[in-house]
Amino acid sequence: DGGITQSPKYLFRKEGQNVTLSCEQNLNHDAMYWYRQDPGQGLRLIYYSQIVNDFQKGDIAEGYSVSREKKESFPLTVTSAQKNPTAFYLCASSIGWRLAGAYEQYFGPGTRLTVT
Amino acid sequence: SQKIEQNSEALNIQEGKTATLTCNYTNYSPAYLQWYRQDPGRGPVFLLLIRENEKEKRKERLKVTFDTTLKQSLFHITASQPADSATYLCALDMGDSNYQLIWGAGTKLIIKP
Repeated sequence: DGGITQSPKYLFRKEGQNVTLSCEQNLNHDAMYWYRQDPGQGLRLIYYSQIVNDFQKGDIAEGYSVSREKKESFPLTVTSAQKNPTAFYLCASSIGWRLAGAYEQYFGPGTRLTVT
Repeated sequence: SQKIEQNSEALNIQEGKTATLTCNYTNYSPAYLQWYRQDPGRGPVFLLLIRENEKEKRKERLKVTFDTTLKQSLFHITASQPADSATYLCALDMGDSNYQLIWGAGTKLIIKP
């Protein structure tokens, strides 16, 4: 089955620790995205990547880092510099990227991160 | 900057009736507008995409309209069922030179048997 996997589903960390969220897709999509979802708010873009070894900051990139060494994989690291990291994190991919609205995005199941 | 408004109040509809959800935007008209469904604790699932030059799009019991004069899209579910209960998100592009979507916060739909 084609799709996007994210792991783990739930993640608990102590304040001050970095944590890496996994995202893998087997859809052969060029574009991949990381979003953060908080209650009562729309999805907010953290980072996106249009091609291997290239990625761009979204609206809320501070305190996060990514890599795109393989087409299938786009891991997100939440660093200790992120002031309010507790949230639901969603990874997505799309077949095209030049006109973002023209392509549907496929989402993973999400990772709920709790930092205490 | 562009803003999207979706009803923050949950919408309660009796089974069998038509549910209508609203997505309003404030500034420029997007070239594309998308609707997604999200169940609790899960990722959104794409439903429909409508282009700025399309007035209406249908898929089975779903219908989306796009009124650039009113700066509004309506999402209709006809013959609603309890299984349609979910949060529905709208998203739109930010223009030709941008590669992002911007997202509404979503409207929670509850279909009562």
